[in-house]
Amino acid sequence: DGGITQSPKYLFRKEGQNVTLSCEQNLNHDAMYWYRQDPGQGLRLIYYSQIVNDFQKGDIAEGYSVSREKKESFPLTVTSAQKNPTAFYLCASTSGQGRETQYFGPGTRLLVL
Amino acid sequence: QQQVKQSPQSLIVQKGGISIINCAYENTAFDYFPWYQQFPGKGPALLIAIRPDVSEKKEGRFTISFNKSAKQFSLHIMDSQPGDSATYFCAAKGGTSYGKLTFGQGTILTVHP
Repeated sequence: DGGITQSPKYLFRKEGQNVTLSCEQNLNHDAMYWYRQDPGQGLRLIYYSQIVNDFQKGDIAEGYSVSREKKESFPLTVTSAQKNPTAFYLCASTSGQGRETQYFGPGTRLLVL
Repeated sequence: QQQVKQSPQSLIVQKGGISIINCAYENTAFDYFPWYQQFPGKGPALLIAIRPDVSEKKEGRFTISFNKSAKQFSLHIMDSQPGDSATYFCAAKGGTSYGKLTFGQGTILTVHP
């Protein structure tokens, strides 16, 4: 089955700790995205990558970092600099020549201990 | 300029009724307007999308109405069912965004049986 997988489903972070959220896709999509979802605020773009070894900051990149070493993988690290990390994190990828339809993973809920 | 404003924040409809969600945008470079449906604890999934060269698109019980001059578009759900209860997001893409979507704040729809 083709799709996007995110792990873990739930993640707990302690103060001062960096945590990494996994995103893997087997759709052969070039572009991948990370969003943060908070109640009443929609989806806000953290980082996106159009091709391997290249990525750009989104609207709320502070306190986050990413890498894109493989086409299939786009991990997100929530660093200790992110003071309010509790949120639902969604990974997506796009298909098609116009890269319009975004396919989302099931999400990771990050909670702070 | 990049904002997409969505209303209402929440909506309660009786089974069989019509659900209407509205969105407004400012950036005239937007050229693709999708609607996403999200169930609790899941990632959003594309529901229906429209381009500004048409004023209406219908897929089953779901219709997008688009008003280019007013820079507004709306989702109509006919014969609403309890299974339609979900959060709905409008979004927009265009210009040099290369796949990047700008999302509205979301509408929580509840359909009572």
